[in-house]
Amino acid sequence: KAGVTQTPRYLIKTRGQQVTLSCSPISGHRSVSWYQQTPGQGLQFLFEYFSETQRNKGNFPGRFSGRQFSNSRSEMNVSTLELGDSALYLCASSLPAAGDTGELFFGEGSRLTVL
Amino acid sequence: KNEVEQSPQNLTAQEGEFITINCSYSVGISALHWLQQHPGGGIVSLFMLSSGKKKHGRLIATINIQEKHSSLHITASHPRDSAVYICAVLNYGGSQGNLIFGKGTKLSVKP
Repeated sequence: KAGVTQTPRYLIKTRGQQVTLSCSPISGHRSVSWYQQTPGQGLQFLFEYFSETQRNKGNFPGRFSGRQFSNSRSEMNVSTLELGDSALYLCASSLPAAGDTGELFFGEGSRLTVL
Repeated sequence: KNEVEQSPQNLTAQEGEFITINCSYSVGISALHWLQQHPGGGIVSLFMLSSGKKKHGRLIATINIQEKHSSLHITASHPRDSAVYICAVLNYGGSQGNLIFGKGTKLSVKP
C-alpha cells in the first residue's frame, strides 16, 4: 500500500513568488492535514481538510491556503513568499470519518527555501 | 508557557540503556500522539493514546489524564533509536489535524 506522497520534495523560490505543494494521501484516507516545521517554532498546524472541506485552520496569515479534491488529494498554496516561510511542510493523512482520533501517516515533506 | 512541554530537550544514552522521555500538557485533550522524526524529516507515528498504556516492541507509552502527563519509554535502546521524539496533543473539540506539538526530544544512542 503506497504511503503519503508529497511533491515536490525540494524547491527554491524567491521573495514575492508563490508556491503550490501537493499531497496524495493513502488510498481510502479522507482526512489530510498540513504542518509547517521550522527550527525556531517547531511543528505547527496549518489546516485540515476532510471531504473537500476545510475543517480546521491554524494561526497562519491568509497567504497560506489549501484545498482538497474529490479524490482526497490536497494542495497548499503560499502566496507572496517571505524569507520566514522557509520550512519543511509536512502533510499527514488519516482514515476515520469522525476525525477525532486515528493514527496519522506523514509524508516525507516538502522543503521550501525562500531566497 | 508552551501548552506542551517535553523533557529532556536532549538525551544521550549508551546502547542498552532504558530511556524515558516525558511530556506534560496544560490543555484538555482527547488524545496524545508520540511521533518519531529521523534526520531528513520523515515522521512516523509511534503511538496514539487517550488512556492507560500501550506497548509496541521495545517502546512503551503511558498517559495519566488526571496529571496531564505522558511518558515514552524505550527499553534496551539501540543506535537506530536515535531520532527526535515529539509529543503532540489533540485539543478537546479539535478535529484530527488540530494538533499542538511539543518542541521534541533529541535522542542519541551511542554504541
